Amino acid sequence: EPEVTQTPSHQVTQMGQEVILRCVPISNHLYFYWYRQILGQKVEFLVSFYNNEISEKSEIFDDQFSVERPDGSNFTLKIRSTKLEDSAMYFCASSNLRGRGSYEQYFGPGTRLTVT
Amino acid sequence: DQQVKQNSPSLSVQEGRISILNCDYTNSMFDYFLWYKKYPAEGPTFLISISSIKDKNEDGRFTVFLNKSAKHLSLHIVPSQPGDSAVYFCAAISSNTGKLIFGQGTTLQVKP
Repeated sequence: EPEVTQTPSHQVTQMGQEVILRCVPISNHLYFYWYRQILGQKVEFLVSFYNNEISEKSEIFDDQFSVERPDGSNFTLKIRSTKLEDSAMYFCASSNLRGRGSYEQYFGPGTRLTVT
Repeated sequence: DQQVKQNSPSLSVQEGRISILNCDYTNSMFDYFLWYKKYPAEGPTFLISISSIKDKNEDGRFTVFLNKSAKHLSLHIVPSQPGDSAVYFCAAISSNTGKLIFGQGTTLQVKP
């Protein structure tokens, strides 16, 4: 069964460093998302991406964040200058059809980002 | 952001019995609701969904009920199995946006 994959599973970085989190969405999916979950808190939406551009972003997704689909398979989240409060689990998700009764998003296993 | 709320942080049931997980929402613009299951160190796994034009959707042991007037939905698991022990998230989405809004989650423990 196709699944979303994410690398690395755990990333430790120092405050102020840049990190890139990588995702390979399900191959025939068209919509891509990043979510994060800070320990003990809800899963929260960061950004959605369709047709090579951001379709929606949350207030969390400020200028320090960017997303890219550099080739036909990868989808990346870059944090330019990490802060302590960026420590969280980051989940990538993808979906096929949006609307027409199909809103299911399929999630990867997550990348645990620890900023020290 | 309290648009989706799961007021019970935990639930414990005996194997073979029914598990009922509840979820309330406030935004009447939501038109699709989903339940996800999450094991530790894994991502959320899609379980079952329901459109706002329906009041029930069933898939095997899992049934989701939607009460639009009460802005309430529930997930029923019958019969419950020890392998169902996990955190269950309710999520909602409106058709003009792609973002899922999640509840806080309910930890279900099914005892053998």
